[in-house]
Amino acid sequence: GAGVSQSPSNKVTEKGKDVELRCDPISGHTALYWYRQSLGQGLEFLIYFQGNSAPDKSGLPSDRFSAERTGGSVSTLTIQRTQQEDSAVYLCASRRTGGSNQPQHFGDGTRLSIL
Amino acid sequence: GESVGLHLPTLSVQEGDNSIINCAYSNSASDYFIWYKQESGKGPQFIIDIRSNMDKRQGQRVTVLLNKTVKHLSLQIAATQPGDSAVYFCAENPSGSARQLTFGSGTQLTVLP
Repeated sequence: GAGVSQSPSNKVTEKGKDVELRCDPISGHTALYWYRQSLGQGLEFLIYFQGNSAPDKSGLPSDRFSAERTGGSVSTLTIQRTQQEDSAVYLCASRRTGGSNQPQHFGDGTRLSIL
Repeated sequence: GESVGLHLPTLSVQEGDNSIINCAYSNSASDYFIWYKQESGKGPQFIIDIRSNMDKRQGQRVTVLLNKTVKHLSLQIAATQPGDSAVYFCAENPSGSARQLTFGSGTQLTVLP
């Protein structure tokens, strides 16, 4: 079956511009996560959506970052007034239910480069 | 703070040998652990998981061992193949938490011909 799909796969933009990253989770998965991965590093949690509950935004690094999940499916991560330190791979993951003891399944990420 | 970490940042093995990748965790409340494989330019790929009520779990060519006494997790890969070359991450999920996984920094496994 289809996995987690992210677009674009690569994005290059100038400092100060806004960017929008998209994630299509696996069909039927109620939990959706955004992570950030810098070069050679582990994954840094950003935000978590579970069903219709209020999202857990505790990992967002600044108020320039925001995310939405419409209709319990597709999610968009928006970064406003991008800075060079925002350059990273942004990974989306989904999970069948919100409970623990279920693996998260990842997309291949969006590689964001800020010039 | 509590974290998950890996002992070895790099590991090189001969093709056909067995590989062992280690991981230490410090959150005693974690009850679920996952190993992921990440190839260059790809997202992390689920390999195997284990719950804290188990000590060992086997998959196809992979085995995960959990030692809760010393908070240690390992991934064993049998008959390592060139396609196994990748970065391997362990991740933990605190008990009762549906939230994010905590990832280690990863181990680069290189399979030598």
